[in-house]
Amino acid sequence: DAGVIQSPRHEVTEMGQEVTLRCKPISGHNSLFWYRQTMMRGLELLIYFNNNVPIDDSGMPEDRFSAKMPNASFSTLKIQPSEPRDSAVYFCASSPSTGRDIQYFGAGTRLSVL
Amino acid sequence: GENVEQHPSTLSVQEGDSAVIKCTYSDSASNYFPWYKQELGKGPQLIIDIRSNVGEKKDQRIAVTLNKTAKHFSLHITETQPEDSAVYFCAASNWRNNLFFGTGTRLTVIP
Repeated sequence: DAGVIQSPRHEVTEMGQEVTLRCKPISGHNSLFWYRQTMMRGLELLIYFNNNVPIDDSGMPEDRFSAKMPNASFSTLKIQPSEPRDSAVYFCASSPSTGRDIQYFGAGTRLSVL
Repeated sequence: GENVEQHPSTLSVQEGDSAVIKCTYSDSASNYFPWYKQELGKGPQLIIDIRSNVGEKKDQRIAVTLNKTAKHFSLHITETQPEDSAVYFCAASNWRNNLFFGTGTRLTVIP
């Protein structure tokens, strides 16, 4: 299996622009997670989907962030408008279980907002 | 919620020596404890995990021990090699909660 696939690997944008990050989970996995990693805050869970339905979005920082999972093989995380403080590495992870324990991470998207 | 503390934050060992990283957790309901290895520019990679009904688990050069009474668990790497150099994260979860991550340990194996 190719693992969790994220695109793009790097994104540089200007403040105020819309940013869309993409994720393809491992085939057959029914849970998907979006994380943000920064030096100051470490790994933070943003949102969790199970069977394409958002279950817990309490980690989404504010209304500028939104996530969708239109089908079992694709998810997006959108930031609109982006701000410099959104600069971080964003990871997608998927899990074969309904719970949130065993998670496999993608390689991440490094976002820089200028 | 769960609070996971991880020590040390940095660790340097000579090639061939052992490395030990320790974590404590606060929620007695936590029952799943994975360890992740993150190399530069890559995502966290699950390297070993343990559930609360087991006290120790081993996979070649790596092992994890769990003490539920004391609420702590440890990662042991024996015969370290330069390719073991990375940042290691512990985490704790119960089935209904998020994975709560430690702050990471940067391991450097000196050839």
